[in-house]
Amino acid sequence: EAGVAQSPRYKIIEKRQSVAFWCNPISGHATLYWYQQILGQGPKLLIQFQNNGVVDDSQLPKDRFSAERLKGVDSTLKIQPAKLEDSAVYLCASSLDYEQYFGPGTRLTVT
Amino acid sequence: SQQGEEDPQALSIQEGENATMNCSYKTSINNLQWYRQNSGRGLVHLILIRSNEREKHSGRLRVTLDTSKKSSSLLITASRAADTASYFCARDTGRRALTFGSGTRLQVQP
Repeated sequence: EAGVAQSPRYKIIEKRQSVAFWCNPISGHATLYWYQQILGQGPKLLIQFQNNGVVDDSQLPKDRFSAERLKGVDSTLKIQPAKLEDSAVYLCASSLDYEQYFGPGTRLTVT
Repeated sequence: SQQGEEDPQALSIQEGENATMNCSYKTSINNLQWYRQNSGRGLVHLILIRSNEREKHSGRLRVTLDTSKKSSSLLITASRAADTASYFCARDTGRRALTFGSGTRLQVQP
């Protein structure tokens, strides 16, 4: 089966600019997650969707980050405006049960 | 901050040796999972152990869980150069979203 798809793979922006990431989960997976992974650390959950509803967004910096999941399938994560500390890999994952399947990630560099 | 820690932070062994990584956590869990991350294949699920299980095996992997000590260990037997990666334990507290530790970087020398 096709894995989790993410785009773009790399993005370089200046601080205060905006950026958007896209994720297409594995077909049939109702749960979708966005994680932020800073270099040298483990992934940190930003937001969890069940179908197109938000389950957990307690760690999402809502003053600058937003996410949506249209029709319970694809999802976009947006940062506006970006800060230097947002430099990280943004991972999308999906699951049918407990095991999560991760996409390749988008490496964001904010200069 | 991340809940719990992996130990050691880095480990270097020779091919054929066993590698043991430990994970401690602070809150109760529904299950605990181990993931591997390398540049080639990204973050990949290895094994899941439920809170009512004490030990689980999958190929060359053996995972133990001690809920009274809030700790888990991952043993990789007969390691190979291809096992070189970062290994993360991840706790599911019942909501399916995972809390990852900081990882153990394993280097297997050929």
